[in-house]
Amino acid sequence: DVKVTQSSRYLVKRTGEKVFLECVQDMDHENMFWYRQDPGLGLRLIYFSYDVKMKEKGDIPEGYSVSREKKERFSLILESASTNQTSMYLCASSLSNLDTQYFGPGTRLTVL
Amino acid sequence: EDQVTQSPEALRLQEGESSSLNCSYTVSGLRGLFWYRQDPGKGPEFLFTLYSAGEEKEKERLKATLTKKESFLHITAPKPEDSATYLCAVERSSGSRLTFGEGTQLTVNP
Repeated sequence: DVKVTQSSRYLVKRTGEKVFLECVQDMDHENMFWYRQDPGLGLRLIYFSYDVKMKEKGDIPEGYSVSREKKERFSLILESASTNQTSMYLCASSLSNLDTQYFGPGTRLTVL
Repeated sequence: EDQVTQSPEALRLQEGESSSLNCSYTVSGLRGLFWYRQDPGKGPEFLFTLYSAGEEKEKERLKATLTKKESFLHITAPKPEDSATYLCAVERSSGSRLTFGEGTQLTVNP
């Protein structure tokens, strides 16, 4: 079974803080993805990575950055958290291009 | 631009009352259409991938079908544990980015 884990289920941060969200997959998948999910807007792709140290912008990258130093780990960074970044953040991974994406449990981030 | 529209937004059924969820899509070169189930506060759980018009897949009480413009998720004799949000997504043949619909929230009452 594919297992994608995220470092926190719930997180509360203050405006202006630097926030790290961590995602780890244990299936040697090439591709990893970060989405946010908001009511009425669905899932939107923030960033994705096809390989170690490689990243590409998704549909809404503003205010975010990512890091992939090891194949199994993909981090999402909010350089200076803002209230409009309050959301559910979902990480996913896939074996390679054009393969099924498997999702982690999500991190509910609240920025006060 | 790829688009996915799911209907209805919400559906309430009685246990045993069969129904269908719709996913209409426009995409330039469909590689696959995906169905996921999402429980409240959790990540989406993969259900099916459909690759070509006419294809059908089944899992327990769920059956997914695909045409050139839409997909249906048929739920036969649903149980309360089938209550969840069902998400549809498409992937174009040129890459692995998914475009999601907003989902159908299904409630099955005992």
